[in-house]
Amino acid sequence: KQEVTQIPAALSVPEGENLVLNCSFTDSAIYNLQWFRQDPGKGLTSLLLIQSSQREQTSGRLNASLDKSSGRSTLYIAASQPGDSATYLCAVRPSGSEKLVFGKGTKLTVNP
Amino acid sequence: NAGVTQTPKFRVLKTGQSMTLLCAQDMNHEYMYWYRQDPGMGLRLIHYSVGEGTTAKGEVPDGYNVSRLKKQNFLLGLESAAPSQTSVYFCASSDGTEAFFGQGTRLTVV
Repeated sequence: KQEVTQIPAALSVPEGENLVLNCSFTDSAIYNLQWFRQDPGKGLTSLLLIQSSQREQTSGRLNASLDKSSGRSTLYIAASQPGDSATYLCAVRPSGSEKLVFGKGTKLTVNP
Repeated sequence: NAGVTQTPKFRVLKTGQSMTLLCAQDMNHEYMYWYRQDPGMGLRLIHYSVGEGTTAKGEVPDGYNVSRLKKQNFLLGLESAAPSQTSVYFCASSDGTEAFFGQGTRLTVV
């Protein structure tokens, strides 16, 4: 059974810092991996999608990498801003499955 | 550009009452999902559908029923609400690659 873990559960950094959020999964047989952002009381917003054949994806200040063999993905946020404060979730779609398996998220606080 | 729309956004039910949550997507996606999100538990899959007229159970299906009579709509029903079903419910849709979520329904059962 695929399990997804995000460590740490919470992270607090000063504005301007570059930071890395981690996501690990137990089974390397995945179709893709998706990073989401969730603001308090809101739904999930898709940030980046990485297909299993890809190593990384970039969008603005965000860069997500995927190492399938080691069961890891990282989300790199450059020059963090207070507006980046949110919970970040990763989800994997196992190969041959229609379902997404979620981690419990990392709550990020960027202090001015 | 509506994406995934959930109605209602908030609801308070008494124990034993029934209700239906509606999810509508305008992206012509085949796959639709219902999740619940609880503190410390993360997102848990209730039911999902891989196409019009199909449904399947997720991790936590007990106490819920679903229907997908039209491709764009996925309904989640609670037949007899219990306090344990107090949660935030999210609907999602996907074309098999990227998933998109609605804004959620906050349900309280008293």
